[in-house]
Amino acid sequence: DVKVTQSSRYLVKRTGEKVFLECVQDMDHENMFWYRQDPGLGLRLIYFSYDVKMKEKGDIPEGYSVSREKKERFSLILESASTNQTSMYLCASSLRSSRLNTEAFFGQGTRLTVV
Amino acid sequence: AQSVTQLGSHVSVSEGALVLLRCNYSSSVPPYLFWYVQYPNQGLQLLLKYTTGATLVKGINGFEAEFKKSETSFHLTKPSAHMSDAAEYFCAPTTGRRALTFGSGTRLQVQP
Repeated sequence: DVKVTQSSRYLVKRTGEKVFLECVQDMDHENMFWYRQDPGLGLRLIYFSYDVKMKEKGDIPEGYSVSREKKERFSLILESASTNQTSMYLCASSLRSSRLNTEAFFGQGTRLTVV
Repeated sequence: AQSVTQLGSHVSVSEGALVLLRCNYSSSVPPYLFWYVQYPNQGLQLLLKYTTGATLVKGINGFEAEFKKSETSFHLTKPSAHMSDAAEYFCAPTTGRRALTFGSGTRLQVQP
């Protein structure tokens, strides 16, 4: 059974803290993605990675960075957390990007609250 | 650039009634189209997808969708709603970009 695992389901952090959200997939997928989900806005792409140490900005990268040192792991970093980053964060992975019709597999999500 | 519109952020139907969730995309190039479902407190899972070939696509749990190029639509239907269908549904077309672009979602409520 394919799996994308996010390290935490719920997190509460203070404003100004550096926050790490971790995601691991066991499917040997090349592509990995971070989305944030807010009511009425759907899923918005923050960053994605199509190979180890490679990354591309999505639609809303401001205030975030990412790290992909190993193929199976993709980390989202909030350099200095702010209250407007309170959201649900979803990690996903898929096979190599040349297959545009490839399904993305999602983790369970991390609900982050910044106080 | 690809964009997607899901008409109706909330849809409510009675158990046993027809479910119709609307999705329109904008693109000059026929896309690949996906529908995902998100049950409460869970991630997204694939419901069905259109790539090429037959324009009527069947998915899991009795859902199906029809790709209509002339209308740039990919509406999701199910003949008879079940209580377990209550969830949020996302349409996601893709063309040249590696990452999926998602609609704003439609929350389906099923009344007993």
